Amino acid sequence: NAGVTQTPKFQVLKTGQSMTLQCAQDMNHEYMSWYRQDPGMGLRLIHYSVGAGITDQGEVPNGYNVSRSTTEDFPLRLLSAAPSQTSVYFCASSYQETGELFFGEGSRLTVL
Amino acid sequence: AQKVTQAQTEISVVEKEDVTLDCVYETRDTTYYLFWYKQPPSGELVFLIRRNSFDEQNEISGRYSWNFQKSTSSFNFTITASQVVDSAVYFCALGSNDYKLSFGAGTTVTVRA
Repeated sequence: NAGVTQTPKFQVLKTGQSMTLQCAQDMNHEYMSWYRQDPGMGLRLIHYSVGAGITDQGEVPNGYNVSRSTTEDFPLRLLSAAPSQTSVYFCASSYQETGELFFGEGSRLTVL
Repeated sequence: AQKVTQAQTEISVVEKEDVTLDCVYETRDTTYYLFWYKQPPSGELVFLIRRNSFDEQNEISGRYSWNFQKSTSSFNFTITASQVVDSAVYFCALGSNDYKLSFGAGTTVTVRA
């Protein structure tokens, strides 16, 4: 019963460093997405994918890259971390475009 | 553009009181979907309900109930006889046929014993 698995759960970076947040789901969902959660702003969509090989930008895509080589995995890459990217990141998946999102446990990222 | 407004930032109640969380949405789509999620202090996001725009029937699930009114673009959530375990941040969200959800800023509910 893994569902959506995110790693790492916590990470501290220095400005300018790069890193990848990993996300994997075992529910065979076509749709996957990344959100960031900041105080007072709810969750905002960064990037999403409707299937392997297909990705698109969400509301706040700048500074982030994604790829979807398999149905199961949807990593989020920060190429050059900035303090503004300090946030809690959630990966989610869904079985249909109108269905509920299944979320991972979140990854707390701090950029110094 | 879609927008969800949760005007209440924080609500504090004493156990056994009822609490209603407001959610107002904006969309140009005729077909859309509304959701409520709960985020307890442990941080995970828990799905509570999904409602489509063609179903205005109110729903009750245990102590939880939802009031959907298209005329006022609202999808309010009531917790009856609140308990300490209901303490959490509650998010209202809006989606259409494109996988993307727009979330409100959330309402923090604190239930005191």
